[in-house]
Amino acid sequence: DQQVKQNSPSLSVQEGRISILNCDYTNSMFDYFLWYKKYPAEGPTFLISISSIKDKNEDGRFTVFLNKSAKHLSLHIVPSQPGDSAVYFCAASFKDSGAGSYQLTFGKGTKLSVIP
Amino acid sequence: DTGVSQDPRHKITKRGQNVTFRCDPISEHNRLYWYRQTLGQGPEFLTYFQNEAQLEKSRLLSDRFSAERPKGSFSTLEIQRTEQGDSAMYLCASGGPLNTEAFFGQGTRLTVV
Repeated sequence: DQQVKQNSPSLSVQEGRISILNCDYTNSMFDYFLWYKKYPAEGPTFLISISSIKDKNEDGRFTVFLNKSAKHLSLHIVPSQPGDSAVYFCAASFKDSGAGSYQLTFGKGTKLSVIP
Repeated sequence: DTGVSQDPRHKITKRGQNVTFRCDPISEHNRLYWYRQTLGQGPEFLTYFQNEAQLEKSRLLSDRFSAERPKGSFSTLEIQRTEQGDSAMYLCASGGPLNTEAFFGQGTRLTVV
């Protein structure tokens, strides 16, 4: 049972345009959401996050939107650059009542290709 | 501070051998995680340490796997009697007490032949 779903395995966007990556989740206990970027043979790099008390968080070219009622979040990259080409993972967490671990549950990723 | 460091980056081993991986987290981080990633999948949680205490273990962590963080600093992940299904990227991540993000190392790529 996949609790975090990224239904688009790949996305191609022209340089300078907007990239929109989508993510859906099923567990209503999740209260923190993150996006990671991953290049081949490297570990994931933290990009941006959002708490469930917000519906938008912006950092430079990256904006994450959260729609709690739809259990949906999206990452917008504007403008897209060739260096943004990578696999993007959506992840969700909640503070376990006892251990406080914030362990992450990841989607399967979306491979973004930005075409020059 | 150079981030989370993992060693080795690559490991090829024969089936049935034991392997051990090391993770050095960011120095002030009290939280440490191990994840495993296979091809086409996102990282999957294996285990969590808060300081030296191992507080959570996934059902993915069979009894052939053991992890330690003896002094609350570096951590090791050992796999005994490796199987071909253990081939994966093993990722370590750490997080500080005041934030919820986790920062990942570059991973150890294990290939069991």
